[in-house]
Amino acid sequence: KNEVEQSPQNLTAQEGEFITINCSYSVGISALHWLQQHPGGGIVSLFMLSSGKKKHGRLIATINIQEKHSSLHITASHPRDSAVYICAALGPNFGNEKLTFGTGTRLTIIP
Amino acid sequence: EADIYQTPRYLVIGTGKKITLECSQTMGHDKMYWYQQDPGMELHLIHYSYGVNSTEKGDLSSESTVSRIRTEHFPLTLESARPSHTSQYLCASSIGIREPEAFFGQGTRLTVV
Repeated sequence: KNEVEQSPQNLTAQEGEFITINCSYSVGISALHWLQQHPGGGIVSLFMLSSGKKKHGRLIATINIQEKHSSLHITASHPRDSAVYICAALGPNFGNEKLTFGTGTRLTIIP
Repeated sequence: EADIYQTPRYLVIGTGKKITLECSQTMGHDKMYWYQQDPGMELHLIHYSYGVNSTEKGDLSSESTVSRIRTEHFPLTLESARPSHTSQYLCASSIGIREPEAFFGQGTRLTVV
């Protein structure tokens, strides 16, 4: 069992739909990253958060430290949002920054 | 199982020294990346390569250089280390268009004193 689990593994939705990707982790962390990778492209770090909620454009990330759970939401999804989304747990201590990655969620938005 | 390795895991070095951070992968991936992460901050792409003899600078300006002489090897070099280079450096690789999932090394934490 991976220490960082993502669900779903694959998600196909129509343009405009509200998208939620979930990440659960069993390790102690200092922060959690959400990463995005487009087909054939590099990896973009979307968020790093250690508590609460962050918003950037149509993307929202939340984390509940007590429940060891984080979610990435996309509002008004668009075909250009099609990518693999990866959560990565960082920690547990500041001086021990081991990144533990989830296996990714492949999102496909259909026009 | 991902096979991508970075060495060293931790490095403390004096100002002015030349250093090379190693990254190797045994998966035959064409695409390789270097990311830099300052403490408590997001990952930033500093270099990438789409194959042998191909290297490009990433989104974040960096004084480091890279080379890609062999598919499996993507070293990053700092000719003269400075305290501002203190950071974590993360290497990654991916197959490409058909399988975009990326695999990451465990990182090198560099401290320049």
